[in-house]
Parts: sequence; structure tokens; C-alpha cells
Amino acid sequence: GQNIDQPTEMTATEGAIVQINCTYQTSGFNGLFWYQQHAGEAPTFLSYNVLDGLEEKGRFSSFLSRSKGYSYLLLKELQMKDSASYLCAALDSNYQLIWGAGTKLIIKP
Amino acid sequence: ETGVTQTPRHLVMGMTNKKSLKCEQHLGHNAMYWYKQSAKKPLELMFVYNFKEQTENNSVPSRFSPECPNSSHLFLHLHTLQPEDSALYLCASSQDAGGAYNEQFFGPGTRLTVL
Repeated sequence: GQNIDQPTEMTATEGAIVQINCTYQTSGFNGLFWYQQHAGEAPTFLSYNVLDGLEEKGRFSSFLSRSKGYSYLLLKELQMKDSASYLCAALDSNYQLIWGAGTKLIIKP
Repeated sequence: ETGVTQTPRHLVMGMTNKKSLKCEQHLGHNAMYWYKQSAKKPLELMFVYNFKEQTENNSVPSRFSPECPNSSHLFLHLHTLQPEDSALYLCASSQDAGGAYNEQFFGPGTRLTVL
């Protein structure tokens, strides 16, 4: 079956760095998405990786290893507003998104 | 502002009621989606419409009935729901369905409670 695994919850300190991991098992692979979802709000797009390596976008970076079925989202210089759930989703061979359950990130002062 | 709006934002209904959820996208997209989001569970894809044609129905019970009159509007008609149907219902749109890079834009969702 198809599956996405990511930690349920993580806690980090304001100003620090946090890495949220995601492993995936899908029938074929056409890329991996990260979305951010604040409580009570819509998920919003953060990143898309289809090739191996690191993509940097400001304070957020996303990494992909296709051979390992692994991705991570790296958040630097954490701010209180980064408290949210982070959703990992892989695009399978039918171009259907397979979603993880999300990682709730709690930022403490 | 994501360009995708949903109404109502909150809905409480009894098991014998009939109600409809509405979604509208202002992004010129051709694909629209309904998702169910329950606490601590992955997003569940319910329906996909591509160029107004339904292309996906993920074994959703018939008490949920989608309608897509045009590429900008999507409805989810609800009748005789069960308490376990209580969840956040998210609408999303993308340029089209089935592309390799197909960022989906989400609405804020309708929080549904079935009593």
C-alpha cells in the first residue's frame, strides 16, 4: 500500500532550527510537496521537490532523496508564527497526492 | 487570500438534514477537489473534477453528492449524514488534474458537526 510517515508533533524554541522528516512509500513517484496549515486555516503551499537535493526558499528549505524515499523540511530562525501543522504529500504514478497526517510544530519562546 | 472561498465556514446539522457546501475559486483553474480532514489523520481525497468532469470518486458514500456546474464552482450536497462524518471539509483547485507539478490551492474549509 501507499504510505506517508511523519512525526505527529515536535517542539522547538524561537530562533532555533528544526527539521521535520517525512518518509514515503508510493506506487511510482512524481514529486513531493510540503504544505503549512495554521489552526483553522487553509493549507498553503511551501515547496515541491522532484529531483534529489536541497531547495532553499528563505528561512525554509526542503530536501529530497528519491533512493531513500525520504524528505525533510528545514525551518531556520524559528518565529512564533511558524507554529502550525506541516503536511507532507507525495505524488504517485497516477499523479494523485498521497498525504501524511501532518506534524504539529509548537514553538516556545 | 488564497483565491479559493468556501461557505459556510461552520455547519451543524442533524442526521436527517440536507445541506450543501459551496466552493468557489477565482484563479482560473480547471481542476477542483473535495477533501475530508479529520484530526490526526491524513487528508482524504473524496472527489476530483477536471474540466467539469468527475475523474475521481474515492469510494465515498452516496450520502455525499458532488456537483460541478462550471470550472469555478463546486458543491458538496449532504444528506442523512452520520456523526462520524463530522470533520473539516476542504476544497482545493489546481491548474488541472494529473500534472507532474500541480500545486493545489486550498480554501479555508467548512467545519461540519453532525449531531
